[in-house]
Amino acid sequence: DAKTTQPNSMESNEEEPVHLPCNHSTISGTDYIHWYRQLPSQGPEYVIHGLTSNVNNRMASLAIAEDRKSSTLILHRATLRDAAVYYCIPSSGGSNYKLTFGKGTLLTVNP
Amino acid sequence: DTAVSQTPKYLVTQMGNDKSIKCEQNLGHDTMYWYKQDSKKFLKIMFSYNNKELIINETVPNRFSPKSPDKAHLNLHINSLELGDSAVYFCASRKLAGGADTQYFGPGTRLTVL
Repeated sequence: DAKTTQPNSMESNEEEPVHLPCNHSTISGTDYIHWYRQLPSQGPEYVIHGLTSNVNNRMASLAIAEDRKSSTLILHRATLRDAAVYYCIPSSGGSNYKLTFGKGTLLTVNP
Repeated sequence: DTAVSQTPKYLVTQMGNDKSIKCEQNLGHDTMYWYKQDSKKFLKIMFSYNNKELIINETVPNRFSPKSPDKAHLNLHINSLELGDSAVYFCASRKLAGGADTQYFGPGTRLTVL
């Protein structure tokens, strides 16, 4: 499993953009970069994933470095509901597919 | 409709007891998982089943036994409960997407062993 490094915590103000970084320098060529988040007292939920190109969906955008050794999750306008722990997880498919969670980044959103 | 459901939501029991946690998914996925989140909030995989067959079995004590009666259900039975088993247990199912697989998690079961 690729090792990831994320800030322990970050803080943002409501309605402002948030950039959550992740380093995954040992990522393999077949690994997708997944982002999940865990809201307080809930199970993790999928946010976004990508392989090489930047990706957008209704929740967030994912910017992937050209060498794929790092990525940034972008929340364009943070809301109070976005306060959660965000996990960056490189993973590929296959029969032994699993998610290996690190410590993640605790995002605090101030009103 | 709830995609991945777990029962019970809370479970408080005494050391030495045997208990079960049930999980059901209505997403039509073939693969299901159990994860454990301890008091330090680390999430770790325990088991994975694909179409009722055990695929992943991490280093988990034999007291933990998953059972999959069909591909929509994955239950977790725990024998002789210990204080260290206190944690939140999450069930998940997997959506295949050619390498970009994603997982859908249940709401969790908070187990407290006294």
